[in-house]
Amino acid sequence: EDQVTQSPEALRLQEGESSSLNCSYTVSGLRGLFWYRQDPGKGPEFLFTLYSAGEEKEKERLKATLTKKESFLHITAPKPEDSATYLCAVQIVGSARQLTFGSGTQLTVLP
Amino acid sequence: NAGVTQTPKFRVLKTGQSMTLLCAQDMNHEYMYWYRQDPGMGLRLIHYSVGEGTTAKGEVPDGYNVSRLKKQNFLLGLESAAPSQTSVYFCASSYPRRGASEQFFGPGTRLTVL
Repeated sequence: EDQVTQSPEALRLQEGESSSLNCSYTVSGLRGLFWYRQDPGKGPEFLFTLYSAGEEKEKERLKATLTKKESFLHITAPKPEDSATYLCAVQIVGSARQLTFGSGTQLTVLP
Repeated sequence: NAGVTQTPKFRVLKTGQSMTLLCAQDMNHEYMYWYRQDPGMGLRLIHYSVGEGTTAKGEVPDGYNVSRLKKQNFLLGLESAAPSQTSVYFCASSYPRRGASEQFFGPGTRLTVL
């Protein structure tokens, strides 16, 4: 069974305190791994797609990496506006491009 | 472009009532999806469509029906609402590229069933 597990469930950081969020996955065949950001009361907003182990992508203070079993979202020198829930999802080979989501990490960055 | 829009934003139903949620996208995407989001459980796929006139079941389809009569619209129906269907519902769409393709989400509909 395809599974996606995110940790920690919640993370509180001081502004400027770098950290990483983890997404571990068990799938039959990975087509792609996605990171989304979700603000309260809004829909998920696309951040990154990673296709193969060793791949990295960056956007402002965020950097996503992928291995054969997990992905990390590194947040460098976070600001309060980075506070959100970060969702990881996988797309399986042979599927109709539907996503299997983890339960998310709620990040709070304190000023 | 408006992207993905959902109607209504909020709705309260009594047990046994019916309703239809509307999703519209203006990106000419072939694929559309309905998810529900519950605390601690992440987003779970209800139904999806790979093109006009086609629909398929996802992970949690029971109690829901869908229709895709037009490419830009995807409707989610609850024939007889139950309290267990209290949730936030998200619609998404994507373009089926050769590799992985990201989905674009609407703002959500918050449904409460009393």
